[in-house]
Amino acid sequence: SAVISQKPSRDICQRGTSLTIQCQVDSQVTMMFWYRQQPGQSLTLIATANQGSEATYESGFVIDKFPISRPNLTFSTLTVSNMSPEDSSIYLCSVEATGGGYTFGSGTRLTVV
Amino acid sequence: AQSVTQLDSQVPVFEEAPVELRCNYSSSVSVYLFWYVQYPNQGLQLLLKYLSGSTLVESINGFEAEFNKSQTSFHLRKPSVHISDTAEYFCAVSQINDYKLSFGAGTTVTVRA
Repeated sequence: SAVISQKPSRDICQRGTSLTIQCQVDSQVTMMFWYRQQPGQSLTLIATANQGSEATYESGFVIDKFPISRPNLTFSTLTVSNMSPEDSSIYLCSVEATGGGYTFGSGTRLTVV
Repeated sequence: AQSVTQLDSQVPVFEEAPVELRCNYSSSVSVYLFWYVQYPNQGLQLLLKYLSGSTLVESINGFEAEFNKSQTSFHLRKPSVHISDTAEYFCAVSQINDYKLSFGAGTTVTVRA
């Protein structure tokens, strides 16, 4: 299965600023997924990123708040914009795994102060 | 979207005792089923999956799960747990031909000596 490198692994940010999270995959993949895991909660899909097209956002998530780039088949970024403490979460990227299922990156633990 | 219910939020268990984590989902259509494990301060790892075939699936570290279509369940079991099994376990479901994963709320397993 694909190996995903995600960075940064953690960050503490000031409210009102933005953070860009990078996800690098060691093989070409059609779709990349971005999830949020709020403290003590399960994972929620933010958006799906296809190379060469606009990301598709799930209900409750908007492009202005979570802009996504997908410049090629191995890389994607998620930006958390104009952060507030409510954005403190773990953000994970994911790709389809060979043989079925999905592989996840190790996550970015974001704390907004 | 799928609804996934993990009936137990916390499961304390003694070392070498058996454990069962329950998972039910809402769909009446064909689905893929997954169990993911998240060790403290780490990302998600795929534990096991059901895509088709035998309804009993096993992982390399002694866990097994059984797909029960009539009860729309995919319970996870291990006959004898180790301290190292302390983690959070997530059940996830996707409809066949749909890339979207729906996650349960998670079950925290704490193994004590």
